[in-house]
Amino acid sequence: GQQVKQSSPSLTVQEGGISILNCDYENDMFDYFAWYKKYPDNSPTLLISVRSNVDKREDGRLTVFLNKSGKHFSLHITASQPEDTAVYLCAALNQGGSAKLIFGEGTKLTVSS
Amino acid sequence: GGIITQTPKFLIGQEGQKLTLKCQQNFNHDTMYWYRQDSGKGLRLIYYSITENDLQKGDLSEGYDASREKKSSFSLTVTSAQKNEMAVFLCASSIDWGGAYAEQFFGPGTRLTVL
Repeated sequence: GQQVKQSSPSLTVQEGGISILNCDYENDMFDYFAWYKKYPDNSPTLLISVRSNVDKREDGRLTVFLNKSGKHFSLHITASQPEDTAVYLCAALNQGGSAKLIFGEGTKLTVSS
Repeated sequence: GGIITQTPKFLIGQEGQKLTLKCQQNFNHDTMYWYRQDSGKGLRLIYYSITENDLQKGDLSEGYDASREKKSSFSLTVTSAQKNEMAVFLCASSIDWGGAYAEQFFGPGTRLTVL
């Protein structure tokens, strides 16, 4: 089964609004969580990551929220801009286990002006 | 900084053909990966190499071989191309395996089309 799942294949947000991207996972041993961003015809690049000892991490307009009991983490992008339009991939791994980074299917975010 | 290069950028093959994709990194990273990207399925791990001379199967290794020729290079072979197959293959590297340095850096990809 899909260990890391992004149930929304696409999301459209108005410029200036908050984009909320969601990711659910199955393995409660995962202890590293990441969001990668991918522009069309470009490779994924790491946006932000958190370890399981925190439940929130902020970096500029980006905030990752981690809900370990719900096996869920999300990426919030405030003041969304057209250049935020991209595919966002969530990923997770168990550092003490197989340590393989497992990716979700991706959510295509479109920020409309 | 560093860079990951993948060759070729576009690969067109015939059904049943053996096809090789190459990846080079100059980050001096220990660990390298090959992923397959299909629409709606995210990135699926085909093979990875934790250090030079290591080779590990990922979740999608059937139909593929890989070779870590040296620390900086990792190649992937499609052993028998499937008709009408279309996918993007991404190579990545990281400082080491999981641990404190889990960030992966990706190459630009090789787009495979099988006629």
